[in-house]
Amino acid sequence: QKEVEQDPGPLSVPEGAIVSLNCTYSNSAFQYFMWYRQYSRKGPELLMYTYSSGNKEDGRFTAQVDKSSKYISLFIRDSQPSDSATYLCAMSAYKNYGGSQGNLIFGKGTKLSVKP
Amino acid sequence: EAGVTQFPSHSVIEKGQTVTLRCDPISGHDNLYWYRRVMGKEIKFLLHFVKESKQDESGMPNNRFLAERTGGTYSTLKVQPAELEDSGVYFCASSQVPRLVINEQFFGPGTRLTVL
Repeated sequence: QKEVEQDPGPLSVPEGAIVSLNCTYSNSAFQYFMWYRQYSRKGPELLMYTYSSGNKEDGRFTAQVDKSSKYISLFIRDSQPSDSATYLCAMSAYKNYGGSQGNLIFGKGTKLSVKP
Repeated sequence: EAGVTQFPSHSVIEKGQTVTLRCDPISGHDNLYWYRRVMGKEIKFLLHFVKESKQDESGMPNNRFLAERTGGTYSTLKVQPAELEDSGVYFCASSQVPRLVINEQFFGPGTRLTVL
């Protein structure tokens, strides 16, 4: 069983739609949950992060973590063509050296296309 | 402020040849990470430097891969001799010693390696 599962899509939605992206994981030690956005030919950039369970909102983006179900979600409201990218979930267990979160475990990424 | 830079952006070599990838992290970032994405798979951790020391190299696939970070600045990843399965995109990321909950890793654009 992979540590992190993510449906690679592709996912195509019309402009203005609500987008739901999800990942499941198996390692109960994960405490840091992140969503990265990657445009074509670019490196991933951190979009949102959550520590442990709960919700976090930033503008049109909402990240949710349900540790009991080992399930995380990213919601995009009022999606825009500029949101078209690959969205990667990533997770990490806390490692107590130098305060670093340590290495990241990524999902495969979901390719999203928002059509005007 | 300049981001993480990687050189070359694309490399095409024949099986058995040697290739050296370079990463220049963001100035002042002590943490430097190498990741790799093989086609159709998720991004996977290779190793982590803290300054010039290898903190975690558990993801290095075999002894054909050698990473260095002399002086704690830029890093190189050498593959010698290259095999077909080494093809993929190699990402470098860097981060500061975190003051906040999360240690945000900033990714470079990647080096696309093709082994023929």
